[in-house]
Amino acid sequence: DQQVKQNSPSLSVQEGRISILNCDYTNSMFDYFLWYKKYPAEGPTFLISISSIKDKNEDGRFTVFLNKSAKHLSLHIVPSQPGDSAVYFCAASALDSSYKLIFGSGTRLLVRP
Amino acid sequence: KAGVTQTPRYLIKTRGQQVTLSCSPISGHRSVSWYQQTPGQGLQFLFEYFSETQRNKGNFPGRFSGRQFSNSRSEMNVSTLELGDSALYLCASSQGETTDTQYFGPGTRLTVL
Repeated sequence: DQQVKQNSPSLSVQEGRISILNCDYTNSMFDYFLWYKKYPAEGPTFLISISSIKDKNEDGRFTVFLNKSAKHLSLHIVPSQPGDSAVYFCAASALDSSYKLIFGSGTRLLVRP
Repeated sequence: KAGVTQTPRYLIKTRGQQVTLSCSPISGHRSVSWYQQTPGQGLQFLFEYFSETQRNKGNFPGRFSGRQFSNSRSEMNVSTLELGDSALYLCASSQGETTDTQYFGPGTRLTVL
């Protein structure tokens, strides 16, 4: 049972435009969400997080939106840059087992120059 | 501050052998988590250690085990290797509180022949 889903395996965006990566979850106990970026042969790099008490968190070009009623979160990258091309993973954890991250399957983002 | 380090970076073993992977967390971090990444199953949680105690465990067979030392360094061991154990093994560290961000190392690529 996939508790965290990233339904788009890939996304292609023009440089300078907005990239929107989506993530859905099924477990209502999840209360902390993170986005990681991953290049091949490297470990995931933390980007941004959001707790369930918020609906938006912003850090520079990256903004994460959380819609708890829809069990949906999204990552917005504005403006997109070629260096943003990587695989993006959404992850979630529940307060009672917050050390255990449940990851989505990832979305490969390609930013075209 | 140095990041999470993992050794070795690459490893080739044969079926039936055992392997030990090592992880040194970020200085001051007391929690170490281990994840397995495979093309078919994605990123899956193995276990998490804090102050030398296993706090959480994923759904992996008993062939997968780990431990943490008093300096927070951690090792994971896989016994009786199977072909399906070929994967990227990632270690992540955090300070250990409930919503602390986990920072990942570069991983150890294990190939089982």
